Amino acid sequence: QKEVEQNSGPLSVPEGAIASLNCTYSDRGSQSFFWYRQYSGKSPELIMSIYSNGDKEDGRFTAQLNKASQYVSLLIRDSQPSDSATYLCATRRAGSYQLTFGKGTKLSVIP
Amino acid sequence: KAGVTQTPRYLIKTRGQQVTLSCSPISGHRSVSWYQQTPGQGLQFLFEYFSETQRNKGNFPGRFSGRQFSNSRSEMNVSTLELGDSALYLCASSLGDDSPLHFGNGTRLTVT
Repeated sequence: QKEVEQNSGPLSVPEGAIASLNCTYSDRGSQSFFWYRQYSGKSPELIMSIYSNGDKEDGRFTAQLNKASQYVSLLIRDSQPSDSATYLCATRRAGSYQLTFGKGTKLSVIP
Repeated sequence: KAGVTQTPRYLIKTRGQQVTLSCSPISGHRSVSWYQQTPGQGLQFLFEYFSETQRNKGNFPGRFSGRQFSNSRSEMNVSTLELGDSALYLCASSLGDDSPLHFGNGTRLTVT
Protein backbone atom coordinates (compact mmCIF):
# COMPACT_ATOMS: atom_id res chain seq x y z
CA GLN A 1 0.00 0.00 0.00
CA LYS A 2 1.56 3.26 -1.15
CA GLU A 3 1.17 5.79 1.62
CA VAL A 4 1.60 9.47 2.25
CA GLU A 5 2.06 10.36 5.89
CA GLN A 6 1.41 13.70 7.53
CA ASN A 7 1.21 14.76 11.14
CA SER A 8 -2.49 15.43 11.70
CA GLY A 9 -1.81 18.32 14.06
CA PRO A 10 -3.19 20.67 15.00
CA LEU A 11 -0.09 22.72 14.43
CA SER A 12 -0.43 26.07 16.15
CA VAL A 13 1.83 28.99 15.27
CA PRO A 14 1.63 32.68 16.20
CA GLU A 15 0.81 35.25 13.55
CA GLY A 16 3.93 36.31 11.66
CA ALA A 17 5.84 33.10 12.43
CA ILE A 18 7.00 30.42 10.00
CA ALA A 19 4.77 27.35 9.75
CA SER A 20 6.53 24.15 8.74
CA LEU A 21 4.44 21.28 7.37
CA ASN A 22 5.98 17.92 6.66
CA CYS A 23 5.10 14.90 4.56
CA THR A 24 6.76 11.56 3.92
CA TYR A 25 5.86 9.10 1.21
CA SER A 26 6.58 5.43 0.71
CA ASP A 27 6.35 5.08 -3.10
CA ARG A 28 9.83 5.59 -4.56
CA GLY A 29 8.20 5.83 -7.98
CA SER A 30 6.59 9.14 -7.02
CA GLN A 31 7.58 11.87 -9.44
CA SER A 32 5.21 14.76 -8.81
CA PHE A 33 4.34 16.36 -5.51
CA PHE A 34 1.61 18.79 -4.60
CA TRP A 35 0.41 20.79 -1.63
CA TYR A 36 -3.26 21.65 -1.34
CA ARG A 37 -4.98 23.87 1.20
CA GLN A 38 -8.49 23.00 2.34
CA TYR A 39 -10.61 25.30 4.43
CA SER A 40 -13.31 23.72 6.54
CA GLY A 41 -16.30 22.83 4.38
CA LYS A 42 -14.49 23.75 1.18
CA SER A 43 -12.68 21.85 -1.55
CA PRO A 44 -8.88 21.50 -1.81
CA GLU A 45 -7.07 24.39 -3.47
CA LEU A 46 -3.66 23.93 -5.12
CA ILE A 47 -0.90 25.83 -3.33
CA MET A 48 2.31 24.43 -4.80
CA SER A 49 3.60 21.77 -7.12
CA ILE A 50 7.19 20.51 -7.14
CA TYR A 51 8.82 17.99 -9.41
CA SER A 52 12.58 18.07 -8.70
CA ASN A 53 14.78 18.02 -5.63
CA GLY A 54 15.36 21.32 -3.90
CA ASP A 55 13.30 24.34 -3.03
CA LYS A 56 10.56 26.09 -4.93
CA GLU A 57 9.30 29.45 -3.75
CA ASP A 58 6.04 31.19 -4.53
CA GLY A 59 5.31 34.28 -2.49
CA ARG A 60 5.14 33.33 1.17
CA PHE A 61 5.21 29.61 0.35
CA THR A 62 8.27 27.42 -0.15
CA ALA A 63 8.04 23.75 -1.06
CA GLN A 64 11.03 21.53 -0.41
CA LEU A 65 11.59 18.10 -1.93
CA ASN A 66 14.14 15.45 -1.02
CA LYS A 67 13.53 12.31 -3.04
CA ALA A 68 16.36 10.38 -1.40
CA SER A 69 14.71 10.85 1.99
CA GLN A 70 11.20 10.60 0.48
CA TYR A 71 10.30 13.83 2.17
CA VAL A 72 8.32 16.89 1.11
CA SER A 73 7.74 19.99 3.16
CA LEU A 74 5.89 23.27 2.91
CA LEU A 75 7.04 26.41 4.68
CA ILE A 76 4.68 29.32 5.14
CA ARG A 77 6.45 32.55 6.04
CA ASP A 78 4.75 35.42 7.86
CA SER A 79 1.80 33.19 8.73
CA GLN A 80 -1.58 34.89 8.77
CA PRO A 81 -4.83 33.85 10.49
CA SER A 82 -6.23 33.34 6.97
CA ASP A 83 -3.68 30.53 6.53
CA SER A 84 -5.55 28.49 9.14
CA ALA A 85 -6.70 25.44 7.22
CA THR A 86 -5.86 21.79 6.59
CA TYR A 87 -2.89 21.26 4.31
CA LEU A 88 -2.88 18.14 2.16
CA CYS A 89 0.23 16.60 0.67
CA ALA A 90 -0.24 14.57 -2.51
CA THR A 91 2.07 12.50 -4.68
CA ARG A 92 1.80 11.01 -8.14
CA ARG A 93 4.00 8.35 -9.65
CA ALA A 94 5.26 8.59 -13.20
CA GLY A 95 2.75 7.30 -15.74
CA SER A 96 -0.08 7.32 -13.21
CA TYR A 97 -3.21 9.36 -13.43
CA GLN A 98 -4.08 9.43 -9.76
CA LEU A 99 -2.90 11.38 -6.76
CA THR A 100 -2.27 9.72 -3.43
CA PHE A 101 -3.13 12.07 -0.60
CA GLY A 102 -2.06 12.26 3.00
CA LYS A 103 -4.78 12.86 5.54
CA GLY A 104 -3.66 16.41 6.07
CA THR A 105 -2.19 18.62 8.77
CA LYS A 106 -4.48 21.13 10.44
CA LEU A 107 -2.76 24.49 10.85
CA SER A 108 -3.99 27.12 13.25
CA VAL A 109 -2.43 30.60 13.13
CA ILE A 110 -3.05 32.44 16.38
CA PRO A 111 -3.48 36.25 16.12
CA LYS B 1 -11.78 31.29 -16.67
CA ALA B 2 -14.50 29.36 -14.91
CA GLY B 3 -13.41 26.69 -12.49
CA VAL B 4 -14.57 23.12 -12.13
CA THR B 5 -18.33 23.04 -11.63
CA GLN B 6 -20.05 20.25 -9.76
CA THR B 7 -23.76 19.73 -9.39
CA PRO B 8 -25.64 19.32 -7.20
CA ARG B 9 -23.88 20.74 -4.15
CA TYR B 10 -25.88 18.69 -1.69
CA LEU B 11 -27.81 15.44 -1.93
CA ILE B 12 -29.75 13.40 0.58
CA LYS B 13 -30.61 9.87 -0.47
CA THR B 14 -31.93 6.75 1.15
CA ARG B 15 -30.13 3.42 1.35
CA GLY B 16 -30.66 1.36 -1.76
CA GLN B 17 -31.25 4.32 -4.05
CA GLN B 18 -28.87 5.41 -6.76
CA VAL B 19 -27.38 8.82 -7.45
CA THR B 20 -25.71 10.62 -10.35
CA LEU B 21 -23.25 13.45 -9.83
CA SER B 22 -22.15 15.82 -12.55
CA CYS B 23 -18.89 17.64 -13.25
CA SER B 24 -17.90 20.23 -15.83
CA PRO B 25 -14.12 20.68 -16.08
CA ILE B 26 -12.18 23.85 -16.67
CA SER B 27 -12.36 24.82 -20.33
CA GLY B 28 -9.59 23.06 -22.25
CA HIS B 29 -9.02 20.40 -19.59
CA ARG B 30 -9.53 16.92 -20.98
CA SER B 31 -8.70 14.90 -17.86
CA VAL B 32 -11.34 14.51 -15.19
CA SER B 33 -10.82 12.64 -11.92
CA TRP B 34 -13.16 11.80 -9.09
CA TYR B 35 -12.27 11.48 -5.42
CA GLN B 36 -14.21 10.56 -2.31
CA GLN B 37 -13.40 12.41 0.90
CA THR B 38 -14.43 11.15 4.33
CA PRO B 39 -13.14 12.14 7.77
CA GLY B 40 -11.77 8.67 8.41
CA GLN B 41 -10.19 7.81 5.09
CA GLY B 42 -9.32 11.21 3.72
CA LEU B 43 -9.22 11.69 -0.04
CA GLN B 44 -9.44 8.47 -2.01
CA PHE B 45 -9.20 8.09 -5.77
CA LEU B 46 -12.26 6.78 -7.57
CA PHE B 47 -11.43 7.01 -11.28
CA GLU B 48 -9.91 9.16 -14.00
CA TYR B 49 -11.11 9.86 -17.55
CA PHE B 50 -9.33 11.31 -20.53
CA SER B 51 -10.99 11.80 -23.89
CA GLU B 52 -13.96 9.67 -22.87
CA THR B 53 -11.74 6.75 -21.78
CA GLN B 54 -11.36 5.53 -18.23
CA ARG B 55 -7.60 5.28 -17.72
CA ASN B 56 -7.50 4.29 -14.09
CA LYS B 57 -9.87 3.11 -11.38
CA GLY B 58 -9.43 3.12 -7.64
CA ASN B 59 -10.24 0.41 -5.17
CA PHE B 60 -13.99 0.90 -4.98
CA PRO B 61 -16.78 -1.60 -5.60
CA GLY B 62 -18.52 -1.85 -8.95
CA ARG B 63 -21.43 0.16 -7.57
CA PHE B 64 -19.32 3.19 -8.35
CA SER B 65 -19.12 4.01 -12.03
CA GLY B 66 -18.50 6.98 -14.21
CA ARG B 67 -18.27 8.23 -17.73
CA GLN B 68 -16.99 11.18 -19.70
CA PHE B 69 -18.68 12.83 -22.63
CA SER B 70 -17.16 14.25 -25.80
CA ASN B 71 -17.26 17.77 -24.32
CA SER B 72 -15.16 16.49 -21.37
CA ARG B 73 -18.04 16.77 -18.93
CA SER B 74 -18.21 13.80 -16.60
CA GLU B 75 -20.74 12.01 -14.47
CA MET B 76 -20.34 9.49 -11.73
CA ASN B 77 -23.03 7.13 -10.56
CA VAL B 78 -23.40 5.23 -7.33
CA SER B 79 -25.98 2.47 -7.24
CA THR B 80 -27.51 0.68 -4.28
CA LEU B 81 -26.38 3.35 -1.87
CA GLU B 82 -25.03 2.36 1.53
CA LEU B 83 -24.69 4.47 4.66
CA GLY B 84 -20.91 4.36 4.24
CA ASP B 85 -21.20 6.16 0.90
CA SER B 86 -21.94 9.38 2.76
CA ALA B 87 -19.05 11.62 1.82
CA LEU B 88 -17.87 14.65 -0.07
CA TYR B 89 -17.38 13.70 -3.71
CA LEU B 90 -14.83 15.84 -5.47
CA CYS B 91 -14.25 16.21 -9.17
CA ALA B 92 -10.95 17.56 -10.44
CA SER B 93 -9.72 18.45 -13.89
CA SER B 94 -6.29 18.91 -15.38
CA LEU B 95 -4.61 19.61 -18.69
CA GLY B 96 -2.82 16.30 -18.79
CA ASP B 97 -0.58 13.77 -17.21
CA ASP B 98 1.82 15.84 -15.16
CA SER B 99 -0.39 18.82 -14.57
CA PRO B 100 -1.86 19.60 -11.16
CA LEU B 101 -5.47 18.81 -10.41
CA HIS B 102 -7.95 21.62 -9.87
CA PHE B 103 -10.90 20.66 -7.72
CA GLY B 104 -14.53 21.66 -7.91
CA ASN B 105 -16.57 22.60 -4.84
CA GLY B 106 -17.76 19.05 -4.40
CA THR B 107 -21.07 17.31 -3.88
CA ARG B 108 -21.96 16.48 -0.29
CA LEU B 109 -23.85 13.19 -0.33
CA THR B 110 -25.72 12.04 2.74
CA VAL B 111 -27.23 8.56 2.77
CA THR B 112 -29.89 7.90 5.42
